[in-house]
Amino acid sequence: GENVEQHPSTLSVQEGDSAVIKCTYSDSASNYFPWYKQELGKRPQLIIDIRSNVGEKKDQRIAVTLNKTAKHFSLHITETQPEDSAVYFCAASGAAGNKLTFGGGTRVLVKP
Amino acid sequence: SAVISQKPSRDICQRGTSLTIQCQVDSQVTMMFWYRQQPGQSLTLIATANQGSEATYESGFVIDKFPISRPNLTFSTLTVSNMSPEDSSIYLCSVATQGAQNEQFFGPGTRLTVL
Repeated sequence: GENVEQHPSTLSVQEGDSAVIKCTYSDSASNYFPWYKQELGKRPQLIIDIRSNVGEKKDQRIAVTLNKTAKHFSLHITETQPEDSAVYFCAASGAAGNKLTFGGGTRVLVKP
Repeated sequence: SAVISQKPSRDICQRGTSLTIQCQVDSQVTMMFWYRQQPGQSLTLIATANQGSEATYESGFVIDKFPISRPNLTFSTLTVSNMSPEDSSIYLCSVATQGAQNEQFFGPGTRLTVL
């Protein structure tokens, strides 16, 4: 089955700096890669996603890139703000019934 | 997007008992899933809840321990049976809506503590 690895497990950045989280996946058939943000005590929220026919997608301060050949994808957050502090999860999904396999998560702390 | 609710939001249970968690969506959805999130950990898929048929379980999860029902396109239940402290976790349902390929949205979760 699919295996998703996520790095780093924790990330501390100064407010205004950029944050980058990287994920690798194992199943070359995977074609959908969402990112979720989970604040303490809250549900995971879908913040951005990318499909295998696209190399990059951007939404305001967040962007995701995908390298299908290398089987890795990354989340980029620019101009970080304290409210970006949360745990971020990457995931991968293939044709097998929309099942999501999650990475281990990255705890992001933005220091004011 | 769909509004998803779960009941109960939290519970404290004695070992050996069972708890049924409900997931309700305000619109018809194509797929519903149940995940477990152990404290400080990532999300692990338990099963896909299939409407009108038996759920599809992931490796390591069995129907006797986690029976699931999905009687219609807006509702599903997950039962955690014969609970032990190792079952203490957050249980989340998620839905994939019609026309939004692959996108999954999560319910608020049920925080379960087993004593």
